[in-house]
Amino acid sequence: KAGVTQTPRYLIKTRGQQVTLSCSPISGHRSVSWYQQTPGQGLQFLFEYFSETQRNKGNFPGRFSGRQFSNSRSEMNVSTLELGDSALYLCASSRGQAADTQYFGPGTRLTVL
Amino acid sequence: AQTVTQSQPEMSVQEAETVTLSCTYDTSENNYYLFWYKQPPSRQMILVIRQEAYKQQNATENRFSVNFQKAAKSFSLKISDSQLGDTAMYFCAFTNFGNEKLTFGTGTRLTIIP
Repeated sequence: KAGVTQTPRYLIKTRGQQVTLSCSPISGHRSVSWYQQTPGQGLQFLFEYFSETQRNKGNFPGRFSGRQFSNSRSEMNVSTLELGDSALYLCASSRGQAADTQYFGPGTRLTVL
Repeated sequence: AQTVTQSQPEMSVQEAETVTLSCTYDTSENNYYLFWYKQPPSRQMILVIRQEAYKQQNATENRFSVNFQKAAKSFSLKISDSQLGDTAMYFCAFTNFGNEKLTFGTGTRLTIIP
């Protein structure tokens, strides 16, 4: 089975721009979660989508948004980028059943200049 | 709110030795799950081991085992016969039953010395 894939792997943007990151889950997985990893804040949960609906949300400003498509692929969008948004963005997928194990993708490294 | 604490920012051991990484957590829930994830320099987060809180038996996966002390809210990871490929950041993580959100600790950077 193919693992979780994320595109692009690296991205450089400037302040004020917006960015869209993509995540393709493992085949058969219906839940996709997004995490932000920074040296200062560590790993923080952004949101989770299941069957095209946001099921859980972390404590991030409204500039961070996401969506999920009918094939379970997910995108996250960050608008009006700030320097502090520079991070590794990790996507994880699972079957979406109670406390199912999450499998992570390789991440997208976003640098905001 | 749940919290996960890893008190050892860095550790190093000789190849073939045994090492134990510590993790404590705080929760008022009774039904939850604990995980150890490994993040090597390639940055891909890999599941090492998983423990269900309702199970008294400690989980084991080959050279990796946990010591789960529910009353003490402690969840340590033991790596036996350590190998160079074990060099990585190790994160302890927690999730409630019925919730996909993982709460992570700050990580322990483990270096295996040849």
